[in-house]
Formats: sequence, structure tokens, C-alpha cells
Amino acid sequence: EPEVTQTPSHQVTQMGQEVILRCVPISNHLYFYWYRQILGQKVEFLVSFYNNEISEKSEIFDDQFSVERPDGSNFTLKIRSTKLEDSAMYFCASSREGNEQFFGPGTRLTVL
Amino acid sequence: GQQLNQSPQSMFIQEGEDVSMNCTSSSIFNTWLWYKQDPGEGPVLLIALYKAGELTSNGRLTAQFGITRKDSFLNISASIPSDVGIYFCAGQFDGSGTYKYIFGTGTRLKVLA
Repeated sequence: EPEVTQTPSHQVTQMGQEVILRCVPISNHLYFYWYRQILGQKVEFLVSFYNNEISEKSEIFDDQFSVERPDGSNFTLKIRSTKLEDSAMYFCASSREGNEQFFGPGTRLTVL
Repeated sequence: GQQLNQSPQSMFIQEGEDVSMNCTSSSIFNTWLWYKQDPGEGPVLLIALYKAGELTSNGRLTAQFGITRKDSFLNISASIPSDVGIYFCAGQFDGSGTYKYIFGTGTRLKVLA
């Protein structure tokens, strides 16, 4: 059964460094998303991406964040200058028609 | 902004018991999803609901979309130890267009063998 994959599973970085989190969505899906989950809390929407552009972003997704679909299979989230409060699980999700969203296993980001 | 409140926050049950949890909001949603999350893993989609009043089953799981479109419940029948985890509801509200989902606060389920 096709699934969303994410790499790395765990990323440790120093405050102020740039990180890129990578996702491979399910191959025939058209809508892509990033969510984050701070430890012990609920899942929060960051950004949605469709037709090669951002369709919506939350207030969390400020100028330090960017997304890209560099080729036909990868979907990346870049944090330009990480802060301590960026430490969280980051989940990529994809959907064929936008309604049922399938999540990847997540990347745990730890900012020191 | 839109918020989804789940109850109970956590529950301990005996193996074999039925479980019920719900999700409420002051806002109207046009799609509800129910997810289960195991520790350190991503949410796994359990059930999707699209119409007010809709009742959908997936094995031992049954979920309903409330008539007012402001709530949903999830039932698990004859619970087993692997049902342990956190259950999240997620709602997509009218006018979103981008299928952005708001997640609930979660119900942590612990099953005693």
C-alpha cells in the first residue's frame, strides 16, 4: 500500500541553522501539506500546497519557513534560521482530492 | 479561530469494553476525519465523514457526523490492547477550499488487559 515517507526521522540542529525536511508524498496525490506537533500537544496546520504553489498558510508559517516541490516526487519544508521553539514533530501529508489526508511518520526536529 | 474540543481527554478501560469519544466545536465543518496516533508515529486515518448525519464503520470503529455539523463521535467496540493510543478528530470547515484541517485536542486511550 502506498505511503508517505519522510526523511530524516530525527534532525538535531543548533539555533540559527537552516534545516530542510524532506517528504515523498503518495505518487498520484495532488495536495500536499505540512503540519507540526509540539510534544504532547495537538497537530497544527502549517501550509498547504497545490498546483505548484502555496494555497494557504497559518500564522505559524512565517518568513522563516518555505516549501518547495523541486521535482515530481519530493516536497520539502525549509526553516531558514531555526529557533528553540521550532522543536517539534513535523508531519507531511498528502491527498488525492484534498479531503482524505494521509500522514507520513514525521521528522522529529530538535533545536539546541 | 476554529477550535475542536475532544472529550474525554483520557480514559482507562478494560479489554473488551466499548469506548465512546466525541469532538465538538462552535463552528460548522463540512468534513470530519478521525485519526489514531501511536507514540512517535504519524496519525493514521481511521474514518472520513462527509455528510451531516452520516454514520460510517471501519471494522470495530463507528463514527458519526453530527446533524448540526458541529460535532462528531467515534465508538470502538470490544476494545483490545492495540487500541491504545491517541485519537484525534480533524475538521475541515466551509470556505477553506484548500482542505486545511483543524485538529482536536485528542483523547488518550489506555486499555487494561
